[in-house]
Amino acid sequence: NAGVTQTPKFQVLKTGQSMTLQCAQDMNHEYMSWYRQDPGMGLRLIHYSVGAGITDQGEVPNGYNVSRSTTEDFPLRLLSAAPSQTSVYFCASSMTGGDGTEAFFGQGTRLTVV
Amino acid sequence: DQQVKQNSPSLSVQEGRISILNCDYTNSMFDYFLWYKKYPAEGPTFLISISSIKDKNEDGRFTVFLNKSAKHLSLHIVPSQPGDSAVYFCGSNFGNEKLTFGTGTRLTIIP
Repeated sequence: NAGVTQTPKFQVLKTGQSMTLQCAQDMNHEYMSWYRQDPGMGLRLIHYSVGAGITDQGEVPNGYNVSRSTTEDFPLRLLSAAPSQTSVYFCASSMTGGDGTEAFFGQGTRLTVV
Repeated sequence: DQQVKQNSPSLSVQEGRISILNCDYTNSMFDYFLWYKKYPAEGPTFLISISSIKDKNEDGRFTVFLNKSAKHLSLHIVPSQPGDSAVYFCGSNFGNEKLTFGTGTRLTIIP
């Protein structure tokens, strides 16, 4: 029972490099989202998706792109990494969004941009 | 502008005593609040929720109280156990599809 799987667990990037954080869920959830966790800032929503082909911005979307071509996958792309994007990233999924349904989180990806 | 505020970054409580974690909000347009618990190097996990039509929800040692007139909710843990040491986040959707969270409170249970 995998739940929400994030890869990689750790990543170091140089400023200006690009990369994709992968997120996959096997629970057939429609709603998926990406958060970043920074000290003193809590969990901040980056982007979310209410279903395949539909994405929208969260609180801190700048510098990140997402797409949702399948129900299972919701990758997060950093086109040109900046030190300010050093953070721990969490992907989450739930049956629906906006109705109190429990969200399941992945284990996180710790990203360092140097 | 943070719609959910957890003003206590940390809290230490003796084992066996009550832990009270607080959350304030500014937007009255919400359907529910949820509490999540997070251990180091793990993703957050769902703990308990409360609907806007209730003022209390209880699940074992965990109880959520909602005071809509004060725009305040609290999570009570009784009795507190060492395994409760974690960071706790409260969050809500505020009537839309975005689940947003507060900054979290780090709870330490002292044996």
